[in-house]
Amino acid sequence: DQQVKQNSPSLSVQEGRISILNCDYTNSMFDYFLWYKKYPAEGPTFLISISSIKDKNEDGRFTVFLNKSAKHLSLHIVPSQPGDSAVYFCAASERNGGATNKLIFGTGTLLAVQP
Amino acid sequence: DAGVIQSPRHEVTEMGQEVTLRCKPISGHNSLFWYRQTMMRGLELLIYFNNNVPIDDSGMPEDRFSAKMPNASFSTLKIQPSEPRDSAVYFCASSLGGGHKAFFGQGTRLTVV
Repeated sequence: DQQVKQNSPSLSVQEGRISILNCDYTNSMFDYFLWYKKYPAEGPTFLISISSIKDKNEDGRFTVFLNKSAKHLSLHIVPSQPGDSAVYFCAASERNGGATNKLIFGTGTLLAVQP
Repeated sequence: DAGVIQSPRHEVTEMGQEVTLRCKPISGHNSLFWYRQTMMRGLELLIYFNNNVPIDDSGMPEDRFSAKMPNASFSTLKIQPSEPRDSAVYFCASSLGGGHKAFFGQGTRLTVV
């Protein structure tokens, strides 16, 4: 049972335009959300995150939006650059009262930014 | 810091053989995670440790899979016997306890023929 879903396996965008990557989740206990970026033959690297007490977090060209009522979050990249071409993973964690927050990942979306 | 270090980077083995994947977490991190990446399931959490103790191994697919963390700087994921459907990229990640952000190694690409 996928608790974190990325329904678009791939997305193609022109350089300079906006890229919007979407993610849905089912577990209402998730309280922190992250986006990771992965290049081929490398491990995922952290990109941006958002706490469930917020609805928006911005870092340069990257903005993450959270809609808790819809259990939906999105990552906006503007303007998109060819170097942004990678697989983007959405992840969520649930506060379990312990010292470890495990991350549950989606299946990823392959973003291709065309020059 | 060198980051999370995994070895080997690539492993090709025959069906039925034992495979051991290794991970050295970032110094000072006390949580360690093993993930498997497949097209169908994305990044799937197999098991994670906190302070060298296994906390949740519910993601381990079968008894053929086992993981250990004998000390704070080393962990292994073992598959015995290996099968072709185990072919995937296996990632190790570590984090500071209580933190949300995990840091990943470069992964081990396992091919079982």
